[in-house]
Amino acid sequence: QKEVEQDPGPLSVPEGAIVSLNCTYSNSAFQYFMWYRQYSRKGPELLMYTYSSGNKEDGRFTAQVDKSSKYISLFIRDSQPSDSATYLCAMKGGAGGTSYGKLTFGQGTILTVHP
Amino acid sequence: DAGVTQSPTHLIKTRGQQVTLRCSPKSGHDTVSWYQQALGQGPQFIFQYYEEEERQRGNFPDRFSGHQFPNYSSELNVNALLLGDSALYLCASRRGAGELFFGEGSRLTVL
Repeated sequence: QKEVEQDPGPLSVPEGAIVSLNCTYSNSAFQYFMWYRQYSRKGPELLMYTYSSGNKEDGRFTAQVDKSSKYISLFIRDSQPSDSATYLCAMKGGAGGTSYGKLTFGQGTILTVHP
Repeated sequence: DAGVTQSPTHLIKTRGQQVTLRCSPKSGHDTVSWYQQALGQGPQFIFQYYEEEERQRGNFPDRFSGHQFPNYSSELNVNALLLGDSALYLCASRRGAGELFFGEGSRLTVL
């Protein structure tokens, strides 16, 4: 079983839709949770960064972490064609742990927002 | 301010050959990590360098080795290439515990 599971999709939505992306994980040492966006032929770029459980909002993006369920989500409101990309969840452990220095990624979800 | 730069962007090798990939970190960054991203998969951690030493390593064989230079730039070397080594190799850098910035990657094809 992979440490981080992410539905690869693909996901296709109309412009303006609310998008929900999710990951589950098995390693309880994970404390930092990230969402990256990766356009075709580009490197991943950080979208959201959260520590422990709770919600974080940044513009049209909201990240949620539920450590008790080992489940994280990214919501995109008013989705735009420019949001079309692969979305990767990533996690790492706290300082001092073996999983601190490295990110463990999900498989990525391919999102297409059509006009 | 240049971000993380990688070279070459694309390369083709044959099985059994050796390859060296290069990375210049973002200005001010001292820690460099390498990731392998197979087609349709998320990146997988190979190793991390800080102060010219390998500090952490993922589940990759010894055929994968690296180096960090005094100017913080880094190289990834892969020996005895296998078909399964075909992937996008991503370099990432950070300063201290800060945000990790990725380069655009080197796409390796092994024939």
